[in-house]
Amino acid sequence: EPEVTQTPSHQVTQMGQEVILRCVPISNHLYFYWYRQILGQKVEFLVSFYNNEISEKSEIFDDQFSVERPDGSNFTLKIRSTKLEDSAMYFCASSEARRLGGSFFGQGTRLTVV
Amino acid sequence: SQKIEQNSEALNIQEGKTATLTCNYTNYSPAYLQWYRQDPGRGPVFLLLIRENEKEKRKERLKVTFDTTLKQSLFHITASQPADSATYLCAPNAGNNRKLIWGLGTSLGVNP
Repeated sequence: EPEVTQTPSHQVTQMGQEVILRCVPISNHLYFYWYRQILGQKVEFLVSFYNNEISEKSEIFDDQFSVERPDGSNFTLKIRSTKLEDSAMYFCASSEARRLGGSFFGQGTRLTVV
Repeated sequence: SQKIEQNSEALNIQEGKTATLTCNYTNYSPAYLQWYRQDPGRGPVFLLLIRENEKEKRKERLKVTFDTTLKQSLFHITASQPADSATYLCAPNAGNNRKLIWGLGTSLGVNP
């Protein structure tokens, strides 16, 4: 069964450093998303991406965040200067474009900022 | 602001019984609502999507209802099994787009 894959599974970084989280969405999906979940809290929407551009972003997704689809398969989230409060599980998801359906999530990258 | 509320207390039921989980939303009208399952340390897994013009949707032992008057969705698991133990998340979309707003989830425990 096709799946969304994320790397790395765990990333530890120092405050102020840049991190790039990587995702390979399901191949025939055209909508891509990043979500985050702080331990014990709700899943929070960060950004959606369609047709090579951001279609929606939340208040969390400020200038420190950026997304990119550098080639036909990868989808990345970059955090330019990490803060302690960026520590969370980051989930990538993808969904079909033509038919409204649920999103398929990756297993997440646990980001720890120290 | 848009708000999603799910049963905050964990629900524990006996194997074979029906579990019913509640999701209430306020201050907006989603076009559709999704339910996901999440196991500890894992990503959410999509279960069902129901549109605003659908009263009920079924998939195997799962049933979802959507009452736009009450601003509520109910999620039922019939003939529950211990493997159904997980946290169940309600996620209506935010108006006229694909952004999802998530509830905190309800933890379900099914005892053998």
